[in-house]
Amino acid sequence: GAGVSQSPSNKVTEKGKDVELRCDPISGHTALYWYRQSLGQGLEFLIYFQGNSAPDKSGLPSDRFSAERTGGSVSTLTIQRTQQEDSAVYLCASSYNLGGELFFGEGSRLTVL
Amino acid sequence: QKEVEQNSGPLSVPEGAIASLNCTYSDRGSQSFFWYRQYSGKSPELIMSIYSNGDKEDGRFTAQLNKASQYVSLLIRDSQPSDSATYLCAVLNSGGGADGLTFGKGTHLIIQP
Repeated sequence: GAGVSQSPSNKVTEKGKDVELRCDPISGHTALYWYRQSLGQGLEFLIYFQGNSAPDKSGLPSDRFSAERTGGSVSTLTIQRTQQEDSAVYLCASSYNLGGELFFGEGSRLTVL
Repeated sequence: QKEVEQNSGPLSVPEGAIASLNCTYSDRGSQSFFWYRQYSGKSPELIMSIYSNGDKEDGRFTAQLNKASQYVSLLIRDSQPSDSATYLCAVLNSGGGADGLTFGKGTHLIIQP
């Protein structure tokens, strides 16, 4: 596609529910990144993929968070048993290769009640 | 802990003047540096990248890099009200992208008409 596409744009869920956030990167971009931005805060790096591989999961805030990427394209970030502190905007970005310029999607705003 | 520091502002500049945004970083091995603009409620948008010491100009924007001082700046000439936004400095750490870009918390710029 022309840009990074994320869905849903907004998600309101109840505490304890699972959520899935989807990212479709720019076509041809091999690297894909997930960041989190809480209200008024900076960007917190979560995880990156080079192809389908995520070599380092240590940036994920807890074991309730997981991510996968299939076919070297679409990625899904899953948050299990959501907590109120998970409320944030989840941003996906892609780059042509690892270490290149990042292009961001519009984000998925998650609100946990 | 690799850090990127920015003055949070707000930085208030009269319309038509030069806005100067500054950033320092801790990872001496960093090689790639980026400036992003983020409007309220929107995702970060890439403005410029810079890789070599010195100045790089693109329209009204000039990025300046001094690796010895671990300092990068962004100048905006002929500031317009539409330039009012949060400007994020981002640094590619010496790991080459393995932990994404490290972002500063951003400087909130206000251009006064």
